[in-house]
Amino acid sequence: QVQLQESGPGLVKPSQTLSLTCTVSGGSISSGGYYWSWIRQHPGKGLEWIGYIYYSGSTYYNPSLKSRVTISVDTSKNQFSLKLSSVTAADTAVYYCARVVAAKKSEIQFDYWGQGTLVTVSS
Amino acid sequence: SSELTQDPAVSVALGQTVRITCQGDSLRSYYASWYQQKPGQAPVLVIYGKNNRPSGIPDRFSGSSSGNTASLTITGAQAEDEADYYCNSRDSSGNLHVVFGGGTKLTVL
Repeated sequence: QVQLQESGPGLVKPSQTLSLTCTVSGGSISSGGYYWSWIRQHPGKGLEWIGYIYYSGSTYYNPSLKSRVTISVDTSKNQFSLKLSSVTAADTAVYYCARVVAAKKSEIQFDYWGQGTLVTVSS
Repeated sequence: SSELTQDPAVSVALGQTVRITCQGDSLRSYYASWYQQKPGQAPVLVIYGKNNRPSGIPDRFSGSSSGNTASLTITGAQAEDEADYYCNSRDSSGNLHVVFGGGTKLTVL
């Protein structure tokens, strides 16, 4: 059973960089066949896709966040990470990591999710 | 980019059938996936592809699609089905981006 766990600071100051790590257990990131994604949910709102990465390092980002987002992977630690720069209060949200199945061109699904971590941007 | 539109709220009587819809241009080319989210919990995948259920998802959940509209149907809704439901698909631009619907709050009466 694949499990994902987010970790990182719960409080970030405005203008700083938000950094989160997702640790994957029960499966290897480098085995291929899956993308690894970050999604966020503002308080009381819907889901927003941030981006995803393949184990090889290929990345795809939400155009609305692309200028501030970096997703990286560390296959030796079976982890992938999110960096979001120049944060404001509008970046306060629960951040989820998830595994993405994208083998078929006709569909895409997020089949395993972490429990989520609340990140608050405040001075 | 593209958008997926969902009704903000839907209600159903206990034991009855409810359909939750998701509309968007991307759905003319790609299947939707559906997620259930209960308060304070992470989303759970309930339907993907043409009409596939992950292991452990009850068979009262089913999916369908027509034109630019995807539907999630719950046949014989249970109290535990009360939750927010989100759809997602590939972005219609073909650049491997992802789009989510705004979510539907399902109330079981």
